[in-house]
Amino acid sequence: AQSVTQLGSHVSVSEGALVLLRCNYSSSVPPYLFWYVQYPNQGLQLLLKYTSAATLVKGINGFEAEFKKSETSFHLTKPSAHMSDAAEYFCAAGFISNFGNEKLTFGTGTRLTIIP
Amino acid sequence: DSGVTQTPKHLITATGQRVTLRCSPRSGDLSVYWYQQSLDQGLQFLIQYYNGEERAKGNILERFSAQQFPDLHSELNLSSLELGDSALYFCASSVGTGTGYEQYFGPGTRLTVT
Repeated sequence: AQSVTQLGSHVSVSEGALVLLRCNYSSSVPPYLFWYVQYPNQGLQLLLKYTSAATLVKGINGFEAEFKKSETSFHLTKPSAHMSDAAEYFCAAGFISNFGNEKLTFGTGTRLTIIP
Repeated sequence: DSGVTQTPKHLITATGQRVTLRCSPRSGDLSVYWYQQSLDQGLQFLIQYYNGEERAKGNILERFSAQQFPDLHSELNLSSLELGDSALYFCASSVGTGTGYEQYFGPGTRLTVT
């Protein structure tokens, strides 16, 4: 079955440290892949999107993600964490559903905490 | 600000009641998507409309229905409400149909069923 898995529901990093949030997808065909961020009491904001043009995708706020087909992964990274990065991060993939239409499937989310 | 607006921001109602959630997409966007976010189910796709027509359906209950009007705004109708329907309901919009297009999310409507 097509799915998106985010490893680690909670990740804590120190301010200035590397941020690594993991995402794996399950699909025989690489889907479109996205990372979204959700700040408390807000909607989801698109961070970046993979569409097969390049395996390393740069997004907003210094985030980037690398698509690795062999590992079916699309991990999100940021070299140096900032306090304002504290939020929930969602990985999503665009799959063809059983009904033949396309839909976004979201992972369960990773809550990122930044330690001062 | 994504440009997607949703009203109301909060809604408290009783079991068995019916409510309507409203969404206005970004200017120029033809697709509207509805999602439900709850602690136990996560973020679930409900339904998509494109230029007034239903385009894709997800895990939407029969008690729920939606429509997109000629001015492209959309409404999600939830009826015979149950306690388990308490959740955040998000609307998103995109310029086209298909998951290759970025979806822009509204701030959500928090529904509490008592």
